Parts: sequence; structure tokens; C-alpha cells
Amino acid sequence: AQSVSQHNHHVILSEAASLELGCNYSYGGTVNLFWYVQYPGQHLQLLLKYFSGDPLVKGIKGFEAEFIKSKFSFNLRKPSVQWSDTAEYFCAVTLGSSNTGKLIFGQGTTLQVKP
Amino acid sequence: ETGVTQTPRHLVMGMTNKKSLKCEQHLGHNAMYWYKQSAKKPLELMFVYNFKEQTENNSVPSRFSPECPNSSHLFLHLHTLQPEDSALYLCASSQVASGHNEQFFGPGTRLTVL
Repeated sequence: AQSVSQHNHHVILSEAASLELGCNYSYGGTVNLFWYVQYPGQHLQLLLKYFSGDPLVKGIKGFEAEFIKSKFSFNLRKPSVQWSDTAEYFCAVTLGSSNTGKLIFGQGTTLQVKP
Repeated sequence: ETGVTQTPRHLVMGMTNKKSLKCEQHLGHNAMYWYKQSAKKPLELMFVYNFKEQTENNSVPSRFSPECPNSSHLFLHLHTLQPEDSALYLCASSQVASGHNEQFFGPGTRLTVL
């Protein structure tokens, strides 16, 4: 079965530190890739997405992610985190062949940024 | 209103109660979803509706019963739930086209089953 794996369950950083959250998926075909963020007490919102084209995708709030097809990875990065980036981050995948729009989520990574 | 709205935001119910969760999307999308979010677990897809037709039931127990009367509204009817069903229930919508699927989420209903 297709799955999404996020390696880091809980990450603690100081402000201005660089961030990289890992995401790997298991599916050999065409995929669409997403990172969602859930700030404390708020609903899930889209950070960035990859459908095709340039594998380096830029999203909101200074986040970016790189799709590396050979590694089945879509890691999220930010060069300098802020306290306001404290949140839970979810990687998700839809299969390119899917006509139902089914999203497969990873288990999430909790990021805590210390001021 | 814009986006995806869910009511109620919080719900406490006993195991013998019957209640319903409501979701409404104001985005003109053609697909709607129910997810369950439990602590320390990935979001679990429960149901998918495309053009009001259920296209996926992810082995969800029959005590959860979805209803999609039109493409803007989605309900989740609950009856004889168990304490382990306590979770955040999220609704989402999307415009499904050629596999592209950016889903927009509602704020969720925090359900507690006593």
C-alpha cells in the first residue's frame, strides 16, 4: 500500500536555526506532493505543493521543498525559523492516477521553536 | 462566509447518543472528505465524495454514517460511538481535476465520547 513517512516526530530548534523536515513516500508512479501546516488552535493550511516542473518549490512564509524523484523524497526546508513557525507539519501525497483526490498523509512532525 | 466551515466546533456525547457533524464548503468544489485526527497518528481518511457520490469508504465502522446531499454540504452521523472514537474530525474539499488535488480544510470538530 502507498504510504508517506516523516522521519522526525518532534523537532526543537532555536530561532534563526535552519530547518529541514524529511518526507518519503512509497509509490513508483506520478505523484502530487504537499506540505500542510497546522498552527496551534488553527486548521490545516497548505504551505506548498508540487505537481510538475521545477522540483524546487517555494511556498508561503519562506518555506521551500525539493522533490527528488530518485529518492522518493519531498523534504521541507527553511533557512531561518521563527518562533511563529511553531506548529505541526504534515507531508501528503496524491497519486497522479487518482481521480478521487485521495490524500495520503504522513504522521506529522511537531516543530517547537524556542525564542 | 468563505472556505470550509464545520459545526459544532466541540461536541461531548455519551455512547448511546446520536449526533451529527456538519461541513459546508463555499469554494465551488466537487469533492468533499472526512478525516479523523488522533494524537500521534497520521490523519486517517474516512470518506470521499465526488459529485455527491461516495467514492471511498476507508473501512470505517458503521457507527459513522456519512451523507452528502449536495456538493456543498457533508454530514457525518454518529451513533453508539466508543471512547476511542474521541478525536478531531476534519472536513476538507477540493476540485478534483486530472489528479491535482489541493484540499482545503475546515477547523474541525473536537469530539469527546464519554
